[in-house]
Amino acid sequence: GESVGLHLPTLSVQEGDNSIINCAYSNSASDYFIWYKQESGKGPQFIIDIRSNMDKRQGQRVTVLLNKTVKHLSLQIAATQPGDSAVYFCAENEEETSGSRLTFGEGTQLTVNP
Amino acid sequence: DSGVTQTPKHLITATGQRVTLRCSPRSGDLSVYWYQQSLDQGLQFLIQYYNGEERAKGNILERFSAQQFPDLHSELNLSSLELGDSALYFCASNKGGRVYNEQFFGPGTRLTVL
Repeated sequence: GESVGLHLPTLSVQEGDNSIINCAYSNSASDYFIWYKQESGKGPQFIIDIRSNMDKRQGQRVTVLLNKTVKHLSLQIAATQPGDSAVYFCAENEEETSGSRLTFGEGTQLTVNP
Repeated sequence: DSGVTQTPKHLITATGQRVTLRCSPRSGDLSVYWYQQSLDQGLQFLIQYYNGEERAKGNILERFSAQQFPDLHSELNLSSLELGDSALYFCASNKGGRVYNEQFFGPGTRLTVL
């Protein structure tokens, strides 16, 4: 499979457990945040997003929490399944006059053990 | 399958050469974004086009250029290639000109510069 980094943080969990993946972002002016999942050999896939005027957003089995005070974002995956094994990236939006640019975190490798 | 297509899937070339990567967005999407994913720098935004016009620029080298054609497909041109340009290149598309609409990523083009 594709390797996306030599020194990715890793998280290993048992199937059925809850997973929490953390991300620190850099720009206090960022107004929008996204979590992506990237499976080996594939492009990133959108999981969930959150605007800066929110603290929490829930999706199907996933929850994103935003703490603007400490510039921290987390992704919680409930009842983690083997199919959740992938690299997870957070991204923050830096708005420019003419457009938007996403800045991505380094990624976390999640491994789910059956 | 995201609906975004990229060709070629793999590309092997030599230093100093020039290559063109092609991206066809999802049907109906007007924006195309280009990203580079390398082992040492992670996923980085390069450039965005919206309906044929450049909308936002990221960490794109002067040796790189892109364009979006009237049929909305996009090409990323990489010239005077260096070993460090070896990476996965992804394009993504969405309907609007901003990142607030979900971006759909293609499968990527793996470029190897020897």
